[in-house]
Amino acid sequence: KAGVTQTPRYLIKTRGQQVTLSCSPISGHRSVSWYQQTPGQGLQFLFEYFSETQRNKGNFPGRFSGRQFSNSRSEMNVSTLELGDSALYLCASSLVVAGGAYEQYFGPGTRLTVT
Amino acid sequence: GENVEQHPSTLSVQEGDSAVIKCTYSDSASNYFPWYKQELGKRPQLIIDIRSNVGEKKDQRIAVTLNKTAKHFSLHITETQPEDSAVYFCAASSGNQFYFGTGTSLTVIP
Repeated sequence: KAGVTQTPRYLIKTRGQQVTLSCSPISGHRSVSWYQQTPGQGLQFLFEYFSETQRNKGNFPGRFSGRQFSNSRSEMNVSTLELGDSALYLCASSLVVAGGAYEQYFGPGTRLTVT
Repeated sequence: GENVEQHPSTLSVQEGDSAVIKCTYSDSASNYFPWYKQELGKRPQLIIDIRSNVGEKKDQRIAVTLNKTAKHFSLHITETQPEDSAVYFCAASSGNQFYFGTGTSLTVIP
């Protein structure tokens, strides 16, 4: 099976602009989560979608939003970009396994640089 | 919410020695504990995981132990090799909500 894919891989934007990142999960995975990774803060959870519905949300401002489509592909949008939004944005798709736990697999990430 | 603490933040070992990374969690509802390895410029890769009904799991040179009572779990790497050098993240999960530790940068010195 193909792994999780993310596009674009690299992005440079200026402050005030908006950006949309895309994630295609592993085939059959219905859950998609988004994380922000920065050197100082580690992996910070943004939100999780399952069957087109946002189930969980992290502690990020409303400038960060997302959605999921019927084919499980997901997008996240960041509006009014700030310098502090520069980070690696990771998408992960999940599958329920025995015992009700979810196994999560990451995409390669989108490196966003805000200037 | 869940709080996961990971120690140490950096670890250097000689090739062939063992490495141990420890994590603690706060939410007793967490029932799944994966470990990820992230090499420079690459995505985090799931290397081993353990569920709350198991105390220990081993896969070749890596093992994970879980103490539910004390709410801590550890990653053990034996006979370390230079290719083990990476950042390792622990996580605690309940349902599909994952909480990650801040990472341990492991350097294996040849």
